[in-house]
Amino acid sequence: QSALTQPASVSGSPGQSITISCTGTNSDLGSYDYVSWYQQHPGKAPKVMIYDVSKRPSGVSNRFSGSKSANTASLTISGLQAEDEADYYCSSYSTSSSWVFGGGTKLTVL
Amino acid sequence: QPQLQEAGPRLVKPSETLSLTCTVSGDSIITSNHYWGWLRQPPGKGLEWIGSIIYAGTTFYNPSLKGRVSISVDTSKNQFSLKLSSVTAADTAVYYCAREGRIVVLKYFFDYWGQGSLVTVSS
Repeated sequence: QSALTQPASVSGSPGQSITISCTGTNSDLGSYDYVSWYQQHPGKAPKVMIYDVSKRPSGVSNRFSGSKSANTASLTISGLQAEDEADYYCSSYSTSSSWVFGGGTKLTVL
Repeated sequence: QPQLQEAGPRLVKPSETLSLTCTVSGDSIITSNHYWGWLRQPPGKGLEWIGSIIYAGTTFYNPSLKGRVSISVDTSKNQFSLKLSSVTAADTAVYYCAREGRIVVLKYFFDYWGQGSLVTVSS
C-alpha cells in the first residue's frame, strides 16, 4: 500500500488561512469517508483534529475544517495562530482493512 | 479518559525480535469494544500503522509488515503487545500504541495515544 501524498511544507502569517492537501487512490480516499487529520508538535504524540472528513472532536477549535473530493482530501486552518505550527498528517481507512498515512506536512507560522 | 503507556527494551540487536507492551488505564480493553493499535514513526519521518487488535483476538496487520509482526492481548492485565521479528536498522522508530474504533463503535480514527517509545535497532 502506498502512502497518501501531502506537500512537505506550507506556511502562512498569523490570521491568514492555509490549506493542506492529501491525495490518495481509489483504494483509500476514493472508497471511504474515513479521513482523519492529526497534529503533531515536536516530541509529542499525534492528536486528532478532524475525523470522518470534516468532523471535529470535542475541544478542537472550529478554525480547523476538512473536506474531500474524489481521491483528494484537504485540511484548512483559518485565523492562523503561532500554536498551530506543527506537523500535520492525513490518514485514511483502506480497502485492505488497513490504515494509510500521508508523509506529513510541516506548517510554519511566519 | 483512557491513558496508554508503552514499555519495553529501548535497544534491540539486528535480526532479533522487538517486543513492546502497552498498558491501558481508564478504559477496559474488554468492555470498550475498541481496537487497540500499534503505529511507528522513524526519526524525522512520517507515521506508519503496524496493526490493531480487539479483545477477542481479531487482528489486522499492515500488509507490508505481515509475516514479521504479531499483536496479542492480555485482558487480565488490560494490556496488548507487539512483537516484530527479524528487525533491521530500518525498524528504528518511535513506537506508539493507540486506540481506534473501527467496525464496532464506528470511530474510524485514533483518539487516544501513548507518549511513544523510541526503539533503536543496533548492534
